[in-house]
Amino acid sequence: KAGVTQTPRYLIKTRGQQVTLSCSPISGHRSVSWYQQTPGQGLQFLFEYFSETQRNKGNFPGRFSGRQFSNSRSEMNVSTLELGDSALYLCASSAPSDNEQFFGPGTRLTVL
Amino acid sequence: SQQGEEDPQALSIQEGENATMNCSYKTSINNLQWYRQNSGRGLVHLILIRSNEREKHSGRLRVTLDTSKKSSSLLITASRAADTASYFCATSRGGSYIPTFGRGTSLIVHP
Repeated sequence: KAGVTQTPRYLIKTRGQQVTLSCSPISGHRSVSWYQQTPGQGLQFLFEYFSETQRNKGNFPGRFSGRQFSNSRSEMNVSTLELGDSALYLCASSAPSDNEQFFGPGTRLTVL
Repeated sequence: SQQGEEDPQALSIQEGENATMNCSYKTSINNLQWYRQNSGRGLVHLILIRSNEREKHSGRLRVTLDTSKKSSSLLITASRAADTASYFCATSRGGSYIPTFGRGTSLIVHP
């Protein structure tokens, strides 16, 4: 069974731009969660989508948004990028009613 | 804010030694998980222990949970250089399936 995939793996943007990251979950997994990982804040939960609906949301500004498609693939978007948005963005999928999360390799975003 | 906090922040040992990492948390949990992350990559799930369990084993890994002390420990026996990674505990509580991660313990195993 293929694992969670994320594209792109690396991204360099400048302040003020916007970015879209993509995540394909493990086949059969309907829950997709997004995390931001930085050296200073650690691993922070952004949001979770389940069956195309946002089910949980972390404490991030509205510049961070996401969506999920009918095939469970998910995208997250960050608008008006700030230097502090530089981070490793991780996507994780899980089976229904299961706490175990399967992580993708992450997208390394650098904002200049 | 982090629910779980790992201790120590960093651990350096020789190959063959045992490594013990601890995780403390603040509120009652449903379960606690341990994950490993190799150098800036995705996290890999190691083991999940439920609040009504006290100990679980998986290969060279042993996890204990003490709900009265709100703490858990991860023991890696006979460590290998390949065990070099960051280890995170993650707790789930209430009706949420979303785990909250600690800041991690950075383990270096010297060959």
